[in-house]
Amino acid sequence: AQKVTQAQTEISVVEKEDVTLDCVYETRDTTYYLFWYKQPPSGELVFLIRRNSFDEQNEISGRYSWNFQKSTSSFNFTITASQVVDSAVYFCALSERSGGYQKVTFGIGTKLQVIP
Amino acid sequence: DAGVTQSPTHLIKTRGQQVTLRCSPKSGHDTVSWYQQALGQGPQFIFQYYEEEERQRGNFPDRFSGHQFPNYSSELNVNALLLGDSALYLCASSSLWTGQANYGYTFGSGTRLTVV
Repeated sequence: AQKVTQAQTEISVVEKEDVTLDCVYETRDTTYYLFWYKQPPSGELVFLIRRNSFDEQNEISGRYSWNFQKSTSSFNFTITASQVVDSAVYFCALSERSGGYQKVTFGIGTKLQVIP
Repeated sequence: DAGVTQSPTHLIKTRGQQVTLRCSPKSGHDTVSWYQQALGQGPQFIFQYYEEEERQRGNFPDRFSGHQFPNYSSELNVNALLLGDSALYLCASSSLWTGQANYGYTFGSGTRLTVV
């Protein structure tokens, strides 16, 4: 069974601080995908990044960066110089092939509050 | 290019009633998955449809059923509503996983169901 753990349920930071959201996953598969989604108060899930299990290169996109480490089964997400607009719930998710079809398991989410 | 469209956006039902939620997938996507997101929780997988058949199912009772139409749109039906069914119901569309061609999910904005 696959599992995604986001140990931080809520984080508050002051604007312009850096913040890291942790994600630890469990899977028996060698081929899988990891995702981060952002859910603003409006409710929709906004795709941020997809990383496959064979690519451990870290990625940076503007103020966002992701650190994927297979050795520790972690896929952490860092926001640099946080802004109020970053306030949202962030979900880490794991996708595996199940019976030929994609199945995605989400973590419980980390609520980030950026204080002006 | 339209994304995933869900209707209605909000719904209030009485315990014991039945409800139908609708989803139109993103253009080019042929697979629809449904998720239930209770307040303060991550999305929980309900089921997935491809080629008008249910291909995978999460741990949800038979009161939850679905359908996929030839145009790939989908419905989620919930019978005998319980107070605990109150949640945000998210639809996600994707292309069938083929090899490593995993395009990830595109989510709709969800339907907020309140059971009173």
